[in-house]
Amino acid sequence: EVQLVESGGDLVQPGGSLRLSCTASGFTFSNYWMHWVRQAPGKGLVWVSRIKTDGSDTSYADSVKGRFTISRDNAKDTLYLQMNSLRADDTAVYYCVRIYCSGGTCFNEAFDYWGQGTLVTVSS
Amino acid sequence: QSALTQPASVSGSPGQSITISCTGTSSDVGRYKYVSWYQQHPGKAPKLMIYEVSNRPTGVSYRFSGSKSGITASLTISGVQAEDEADYYCSSYTTSTTPGVVFGGGTKLTVL
Repeated sequence: EVQLVESGGDLVQPGGSLRLSCTASGFTFSNYWMHWVRQAPGKGLVWVSRIKTDGSDTSYADSVKGRFTISRDNAKDTLYLQMNSLRADDTAVYYCVRIYCSGGTCFNEAFDYWGQGTLVTVSS
Repeated sequence: QSALTQPASVSGSPGQSITISCTGTSSDVGRYKYVSWYQQHPGKAPKLMIYEVSNRPTGVSYRFSGSKSGITASLTISGVQAEDEADYYCSSYTTSTTPGVVFGGGTKLTVL
């Protein structure tokens, strides 16, 4: 069974830092591009970042570029999101998501498995 | 990366068909076939319903279908059922600034 388990969410002051982790199981983690998606309380989904299978290619939403860093450790089946210079508008549930693959083809912009999410609250 | 535009809400009676629109730009929906749709029930993680404009993942009901014309994508639910009441989000690959994904603002489907 595919599982994605996020951790690391917390209450942090504006300007602070936090590192989120996502531990994957039930599939070959190193074969999949992975993404982070966030959702502020009562609001819609917002894409945050993505990373290639081997970590060699990353991309970020404009709102987090220069402040957030995505990375992965394929030996540990773990995805990370380092968040620096946090702002109140970063407050959200952060989801770790896996791309959808079927019949040997992967679709890098479609997400079939989502973690349960971890809540980041930025407030003084 | 501006969000794709979706209606805030739609409604329909059981058995009716409803369509949710998703309008983007020439840098996302209008340029690429990489449009997806997600269903999210309250307190739950989103579920992939449609990928690459019109393809259904294994296990998704045939009542859900997708299409695209120009910069607007659409999700149609045929024979709406009570269990379909949820929030629906579209997404698209985008190259407007940096390559990535952009979501719509979400549409609340109410089954009357």
